Amino acid sequence: NAGVMQNPRHLVRRRGQEARLRCSPMKGHSHVYWYRQLPEEGLKFMVYLQKENIIDESGMPKERFSAEFPKEGPSILRIQQVVRGDSAAYFCASSLSGPVNTGELFFGEGSRLTVL
Amino acid sequence: AQTVTQSQPEMSVQEAETVTLSCTYDTSENNYYLFWYKQPPSRQMILVIRQEAYKQQNATENRFSVNFQKAAKSFSLKISDSQLGDTAMYFCAFMGTQGGSEKLVFGKGTKLTVNP
Repeated sequence: NAGVMQNPRHLVRRRGQEARLRCSPMKGHSHVYWYRQLPEEGLKFMVYLQKENIIDESGMPKERFSAEFPKEGPSILRIQQVVRGDSAAYFCASSLSGPVNTGELFFGEGSRLTVL
Repeated sequence: AQTVTQSQPEMSVQEAETVTLSCTYDTSENNYYLFWYKQPPSRQMILVIRQEAYKQQNATENRFSVNFQKAAKSFSLKISDSQLGDTAMYFCAFMGTQGGSEKLVFGKGTKLTVNP
């Protein structure tokens, strides 16, 4: 009965490199959300995906950030040409169904990105 | 846009005593969900309690209960018989039901310390 699995838990990158963060939702969940937490802040919504579709990316920067949730495999949050300001904890959450639902998201343990 | 405000950056309480964490929010929606999440030092986001706005009865989960005042847009969390394991960041969160996206809007959090 695995929960939401994120990897890596910790990732260090130098400025200009790429970061890839992975998220496997809970079994049976087809809705995935990515949130970013800066130090001393609450979580901020980035993107909401269903299998093969981006539903809402209103919280994701237009440049350098992209997300996907393929038919097979985990959801991937990709950050190209990382900068120091990208250093944060990135949380993935999943839910069983869409807006007509239980209104509950299940979170992973987060991936902490450090940009040197 | 919805906003969530937690006016207490830090609080402390003696073990076995009761503490109340404040949260206010702003929305024009009539139907929505409210949540309290706990984030211990491990950083995982753990759902503590949730409330549907259409329910007048305040939600309760063991030692945790809420005081939901819809007209005042207030959603405080009461922790009774505080335990050392309750030490964590606590985030209040709002989820609307309009617009087709289940994104959570978080407050900045309250750091709670339970003292022995």
